[in-house]
Amino acid sequence: QVQLKESGPGLVRPSQTLSLTCAISGDSVSSNTAAWSWIRQSPSRGFEWLGRTYYRSMWIYNYAVSVEGRITVSPDTSKNQFSLQLRSVIPEDTAVYYCARDRGHDMDVWGHGTTVTVSS
Amino acid sequence: DVVMTQSPLSLPVTLGQPASISCRSSQSLVHSDGNTYLNWFQQRPGQSPRRLIYQASTRDSGVPDRFSGSGSGTDFTLKISRVEAEDVGVYYCMQTTHSPPYTFGQGTKLEI
Repeated sequence: QVQLKESGPGLVRPSQTLSLTCAISGDSVSSNTAAWSWIRQSPSRGFEWLGRTYYRSMWIYNYAVSVEGRITVSPDTSKNQFSLQLRSVIPEDTAVYYCARDRGHDMDVWGHGTTVTVSS
Repeated sequence: DVVMTQSPLSLPVTLGQPASISCRSSQSLVHSDGNTYLNWFQQRPGQSPRRLIYQASTRDSGVPDRFSGSGSGTDFTLKISRVEAEDVGVYYCMQTTHSPPYTFGQGTKLEI
């Protein structure tokens, strides 16, 4: 079955860049029937969808307005994974970060999540 | 963005008794393809979210049949026919009709 696994540093300093990777097994990041999303959860903001990428003859990227300008979601076809970069982080970016598969309005598979703390 | 509003935010229940959670959206969740993309997730303490219901009323594989989803348009309900101890956790509704961004309710904490 499809599995997603997030990885990356658990602590990021303010103003630095948060970088996470989501490894995919059982599906392909280049699938033309799936999109690959990042979502975060924090006590203050609840769940927040951040962005996604998907391939439909070309790579497409969508980002939440709340983080647009600071976020990049990138596919890595050689490793069958995708990544999240969030620049200029602040303490309010502290959250559990999840990656998830979206098969056209159908977010059916989630990773277990990884906790990221923004602190000096 | 579509605002999702859940009620109640806290739901004390008795084992074996039914439970019901409401979710309302600020816009209709009927997509132009005719489907309604309203999902219900369960998050047990310390775990990642697990989807229970999609398209408002379809149970995911392996989800006990005591869980049911109903509703249309802007008003939706998750019902548990007989609450069991393993059902303790927080329940979230999420819309995937209007994207991006997908949006979530605030969560309802179910406690025995």
